[in-house]
Amino acid sequence: EVQLVESGGGLVQPGGSLRLSCAASGFTFSSYWMHWVRQAPGKGLVWVSRINSDGSSTSYADSVKGRFTISRDNAKNTLYLQMNSLRAEDTAVYYCARNTRHSFDYWGQGTLVTVSS
Amino acid sequence: QSALTQPPSVSGSPGQSVTISCTGTSSDVGSYNRVSWYQQPPGTAPKLMIYEVSNRPSGVPDRFSGSKSGNTASLTISGLQAEDEADYYCSSYTSSSTFYVFGTGTKVTVL
Repeated sequence: EVQLVESGGGLVQPGGSLRLSCAASGFTFSSYWMHWVRQAPGKGLVWVSRINSDGSSTSYADSVKGRFTISRDNAKNTLYLQMNSLRAEDTAVYYCARNTRHSFDYWGQGTLVTVSS
Repeated sequence: QSALTQPPSVSGSPGQSVTISCTGTSSDVGSYNRVSWYQQPPGTAPKLMIYEVSNRPSGVPDRFSGSKSGNTASLTISGLQAEDEADYYCSSYTSSSTFYVFGTGTKVTVL
């Protein structure tokens, strides 16, 4: 059974940092591109970042470029999102998602990041 | 990259059909058969319902169907059931550096 389990969310002050993790199981993690998608409270889904299967290529939404870094450890079957210089507008539930056939076929349960003083 | 445009809400009675539109541009929906649809009941993670415009993953009822014409994709739910009440989002691959863009979301209400 495919499972994605996010962790690392919490309350952080503006300007602070957090690192999110997404533990994958039930599939060959190293074969898939992975993505982070976020959803602000009461709002829609927004694509954040993606990484290719071996970690050699990454992309970011303009709103997080230069502040967030996506990475992966295929030996540990884990995806990461390092978030620096956090802003109030980064407050959201962050989901990791597996990419296949140009869609997101499996999602984690999400982890809430709250940026507030 | 702007979000794809969806109607805020649609509603129907049990057994009826509803259609949700998803309008993009020639840089996304209009250029690629890479449109997908997601169902999100309140407080839960999104679930893939349609991929590559009209394909259903295993386990998704055939009441859900997808199509595309020009820059607009559509999701149709036939034989509406109470369990279909949820938010629905479209997504498309885009030629911009962001790779993927989501729709604004549509709340489906079963009357």
